[in-house]
Amino acid sequence: KQEVTQIPAALSVPEGENLVLNCSFTDSAIYNLQWFRQDPGKGLTSLLLIQSSQREQTSGRLNASLDKSSGRSTLYIAASQPGDSATYLCAVIFNTDKLIFGTGTRLQVFP
Amino acid sequence: EPEVTQTPSHQVTQMGQEVILRCVPISNHLYFYWYRQILGQKVEFLVSFYNNEISEKSEIFDDQFSVERPDGSNFTLKIRSTKLEDSAMYFCASSQSSYNEQFFGPGTRLTVL
Repeated sequence: KQEVTQIPAALSVPEGENLVLNCSFTDSAIYNLQWFRQDPGKGLTSLLLIQSSQREQTSGRLNASLDKSSGRSTLYIAASQPGDSATYLCAVIFNTDKLIFGTGTRLQVFP
Repeated sequence: EPEVTQTPSHQVTQMGQEVILRCVPISNHLYFYWYRQILGQKVEFLVSFYNNEISEKSEIFDDQFSVERPDGSNFTLKIRSTKLEDSAMYFCASSQSSYNEQFFGPGTRLTVL
Protein backbone atom coordinates (compact mmCIF):
# COMPACT_ATOMS: atom_id res chain seq x y z
CA LYS A 1 0.00 0.00 0.00
CA GLN A 2 1.31 3.46 -0.87
CA GLU A 3 1.63 5.52 2.29
CA VAL A 4 3.23 8.76 3.41
CA THR A 5 4.42 9.26 6.97
CA GLN A 6 5.63 12.40 8.67
CA ILE A 7 7.63 12.77 11.84
CA PRO A 8 7.57 14.41 14.23
CA ALA A 9 3.83 14.97 14.61
CA ALA A 10 4.49 18.20 16.48
CA LEU A 11 7.48 20.43 17.04
CA SER A 12 7.97 23.51 19.18
CA VAL A 13 11.11 25.61 18.73
CA PRO A 14 12.37 29.08 19.69
CA GLU A 15 12.56 31.76 17.06
CA GLY A 16 15.76 31.75 15.00
CA GLU A 17 16.35 28.02 15.12
CA ASN A 18 17.00 25.99 11.97
CA LEU A 19 14.78 22.93 11.77
CA VAL A 20 14.12 19.82 9.72
CA LEU A 21 10.79 18.17 9.03
CA ASN A 22 10.78 14.59 7.80
CA CYS A 23 8.60 12.75 5.30
CA SER A 24 8.89 9.10 4.30
CA PHE A 25 7.02 7.16 1.65
CA THR A 26 6.63 3.47 1.01
CA ASP A 27 7.21 3.26 -2.76
CA SER A 28 10.31 4.70 -4.43
CA ALA A 29 8.53 4.90 -7.82
CA ILE A 30 7.21 8.42 -7.38
CA TYR A 31 6.49 11.15 -9.95
CA ASN A 32 6.88 14.06 -7.59
CA LEU A 33 6.60 15.23 -4.02
CA GLN A 34 4.96 18.42 -2.86
CA TRP A 35 5.26 20.25 0.47
CA PHE A 36 2.34 22.32 1.72
CA ARG A 37 1.63 24.65 4.56
CA GLN A 38 -1.77 24.63 6.27
CA ASP A 39 -2.85 27.28 8.75
CA PRO A 40 -5.64 26.33 11.22
CA GLY A 41 -8.98 26.04 9.45
CA LYS A 42 -7.49 27.20 6.18
CA GLY A 43 -6.53 25.83 2.79
CA LEU A 44 -3.26 24.34 1.61
CA THR A 45 -0.50 26.59 0.34
CA SER A 46 1.99 24.92 -1.96
CA LEU A 47 5.55 25.56 -0.79
CA LEU A 48 7.78 23.42 -2.98
CA LEU A 49 7.45 20.76 -5.65
CA ILE A 50 10.27 18.29 -6.26
CA GLN A 51 10.15 16.23 -9.42
CA SER A 52 11.38 12.64 -9.23
CA SER A 53 14.49 13.54 -11.25
CA GLN A 54 15.49 16.29 -8.80
CA ARG A 55 17.32 16.01 -5.51
CA GLU A 56 16.35 19.35 -3.99
CA GLN A 57 14.44 22.57 -4.40
CA THR A 58 14.86 25.90 -2.66
CA SER A 59 12.51 28.80 -2.04
CA GLY A 60 13.69 31.55 0.26
CA ARG A 61 14.37 30.08 3.70
CA LEU A 62 12.96 26.71 2.66
CA ASN A 63 14.91 23.83 1.17
CA ALA A 64 13.39 20.48 0.34
CA SER A 65 15.41 17.41 -0.51
CA LEU A 66 14.39 14.11 -2.05
CA ASP A 67 16.04 10.71 -1.74
CA LYS A 68 13.92 8.27 -3.69
CA SER A 69 16.07 5.24 -2.95
CA SER A 70 15.53 5.59 0.78
CA GLY A 71 11.95 6.84 0.41
CA ARG A 72 12.58 10.12 2.21
CA SER A 73 12.18 13.84 1.85
CA THR A 74 13.15 16.58 4.27
CA LEU A 75 11.98 20.16 4.54
CA TYR A 76 14.61 22.43 6.02
CA ILE A 77 13.48 25.78 7.43
CA ALA A 78 16.26 28.25 8.14
CA ALA A 79 16.07 30.93 10.82
CA SER A 80 12.53 30.08 11.86
CA GLN A 81 10.07 32.86 12.68
CA PRO A 82 6.78 32.91 14.63
CA GLY A 83 5.00 33.41 11.30
CA ASP A 84 6.22 29.95 10.25
CA SER A 85 3.90 28.40 12.83
CA ALA A 86 1.53 26.11 10.90
CA THR A 87 1.04 22.48 9.94
CA TYR A 88 3.37 21.28 7.19
CA LEU A 89 2.10 18.54 4.91
CA CYS A 90 4.05 16.29 2.62
CA ALA A 91 2.20 14.75 -0.34
CA VAL A 92 3.37 12.33 -3.01
CA ILE A 93 2.20 11.46 -6.49
CA PHE A 94 2.96 7.78 -7.03
CA ASN A 95 1.76 6.00 -10.17
CA THR A 96 -1.54 7.84 -10.66
CA ASP A 97 -2.31 11.56 -10.78
CA LYS A 98 -3.47 12.04 -7.19
CA LEU A 99 -1.70 13.31 -4.12
CA ILE A 100 -1.26 10.96 -1.17
CA PHE A 101 -0.86 13.03 1.97
CA GLY A 102 0.97 12.49 5.21
CA THR A 103 -0.58 13.41 8.55
CA GLY A 104 1.53 16.52 8.85
CA THR A 105 3.90 18.11 11.33
CA ARG A 106 2.42 20.84 13.52
CA LEU A 107 5.10 23.48 14.02
CA GLN A 108 5.08 26.17 16.67
CA VAL A 109 7.80 28.82 16.68
CA PHE A 110 7.77 30.90 19.84
CA PRO A 111 9.37 34.35 20.24
CA GLU B 1 -1.34 35.91 -8.67
CA PRO B 2 -4.01 33.50 -9.97
CA GLU B 3 -5.66 31.37 -7.33
CA VAL B 4 -8.31 28.71 -6.90
CA THR B 5 -11.49 30.00 -5.29
CA GLN B 6 -14.26 28.06 -3.56
CA THR B 7 -17.79 28.89 -2.45
CA PRO B 8 -19.33 28.78 0.02
CA SER B 9 -16.69 28.90 2.73
CA HIS B 10 -19.05 27.15 5.14
CA GLN B 11 -22.16 25.09 4.41
CA VAL B 12 -24.49 23.66 7.02
CA THR B 13 -27.09 21.14 5.89
CA GLN B 14 -29.47 18.54 7.24
CA MET B 15 -28.76 14.85 6.75
CA GLY B 16 -30.29 13.62 3.50
CA GLN B 17 -30.13 16.98 1.75
CA GLU B 18 -28.25 17.65 -1.46
CA VAL B 19 -25.33 20.05 -1.46
CA ILE B 20 -23.29 21.54 -4.28
CA LEU B 21 -19.81 22.82 -3.59
CA ARG B 22 -18.37 25.21 -6.14
CA CYS B 23 -14.85 25.88 -7.30
CA VAL B 24 -13.27 28.18 -9.85
CA PRO B 25 -9.90 26.69 -10.85
CA ILE B 26 -6.98 28.72 -12.16
CA SER B 27 -7.96 29.79 -15.65
CA ASN B 28 -5.34 28.03 -17.80
CA HIS B 29 -5.41 24.81 -15.81
CA LEU B 30 -6.81 21.65 -17.36
CA TYR B 31 -6.78 19.13 -14.53
CA PHE B 32 -9.14 19.40 -11.57
CA TYR B 33 -9.39 17.56 -8.28
CA TRP B 34 -11.46 17.30 -5.14
CA TYR B 35 -10.00 16.27 -1.81
CA ARG B 36 -11.48 16.24 1.66
CA GLN B 37 -10.17 16.42 5.20
CA ILE B 38 -12.19 15.15 8.12
CA LEU B 39 -11.31 17.05 11.27
CA GLY B 40 -8.04 15.79 12.71
CA GLN B 41 -7.39 13.39 9.84
CA LYS B 42 -5.33 13.28 6.66
CA VAL B 43 -6.29 15.03 3.46
CA GLU B 44 -7.85 12.35 1.23
CA PHE B 45 -8.24 12.23 -2.55
CA LEU B 46 -11.80 12.03 -3.87
CA VAL B 47 -11.72 12.47 -7.65
CA SER B 48 -9.73 13.82 -10.57
CA PHE B 49 -11.26 15.29 -13.72
CA TYR B 50 -9.88 16.07 -17.15
CA ASN B 51 -11.40 16.77 -20.55
CA ASN B 52 -14.91 16.62 -19.09
CA GLU B 53 -14.43 13.15 -17.71
CA ILE B 54 -13.53 11.59 -14.41
CA SER B 55 -9.94 10.35 -14.61
CA GLU B 56 -9.85 8.55 -11.30
CA LYS B 57 -12.01 8.28 -8.19
CA SER B 58 -11.42 6.89 -4.74
CA GLU B 59 -13.52 4.41 -2.79
CA ILE B 60 -15.04 7.35 -0.94
CA PHE B 61 -16.47 8.75 -4.19
CA ASP B 62 -19.53 6.52 -4.40
CA ASP B 63 -22.82 7.00 -6.26
CA GLN B 64 -23.82 9.82 -3.91
CA PHE B 65 -21.05 11.99 -5.32
CA SER B 66 -20.79 13.59 -8.74
CA VAL B 67 -18.66 16.25 -10.38
CA GLU B 68 -19.37 18.58 -13.23
CA ARG B 69 -17.79 21.38 -15.18
CA PRO B 70 -20.95 23.17 -16.27
CA ASP B 71 -19.16 26.01 -18.06
CA GLY B 72 -15.65 27.19 -18.85
CA SER B 73 -14.86 28.36 -15.35
CA ASN B 74 -16.72 26.42 -12.65
CA PHE B 75 -16.06 22.94 -11.28
CA THR B 76 -18.64 21.52 -8.89
CA LEU B 77 -18.93 18.65 -6.44
CA LYS B 78 -22.44 17.43 -5.67
CA ILE B 79 -23.40 15.19 -2.79
CA ARG B 80 -26.92 13.90 -3.42
CA SER B 81 -27.97 12.76 0.02
CA THR B 82 -25.61 13.91 2.71
CA LYS B 83 -24.66 11.74 5.68
CA LEU B 84 -23.22 12.75 9.03
CA GLU B 85 -19.87 11.27 8.01
CA ASP B 86 -19.69 13.63 5.03
CA SER B 87 -18.89 16.46 7.46
CA ALA B 88 -15.41 17.62 6.46
CA MET B 89 -13.41 20.34 4.78
CA TYR B 90 -13.60 19.92 1.01
CA PHE B 91 -10.74 21.23 -1.09
CA CYS B 92 -10.69 21.85 -4.79
CA ALA B 93 -7.35 21.82 -6.62
CA SER B 94 -6.19 22.43 -10.16
CA SER B 95 -3.08 21.79 -12.18
CA GLN B 96 -1.77 22.89 -15.55
CA SER B 97 -0.83 19.36 -16.53
CA SER B 98 -1.07 15.90 -15.09
CA TYR B 99 1.49 14.77 -12.52
CA ASN B 100 2.37 18.39 -11.88
CA GLU B 101 2.06 20.92 -9.08
CA GLN B 102 -1.46 21.17 -7.71
CA PHE B 103 -2.85 24.41 -6.36
CA PHE B 104 -5.53 24.29 -3.71
CA GLY B 105 -8.46 26.50 -2.89
CA PRO B 106 -9.29 27.71 0.65
CA GLY B 107 -11.83 24.93 1.17
CA THR B 108 -15.52 24.61 2.01
CA ARG B 109 -16.34 23.43 5.50
CA LEU B 110 -19.38 21.15 5.23
CA THR B 111 -21.32 20.41 8.40
CA VAL B 112 -24.07 17.80 8.21
CA LEU B 113 -26.53 17.82 11.12
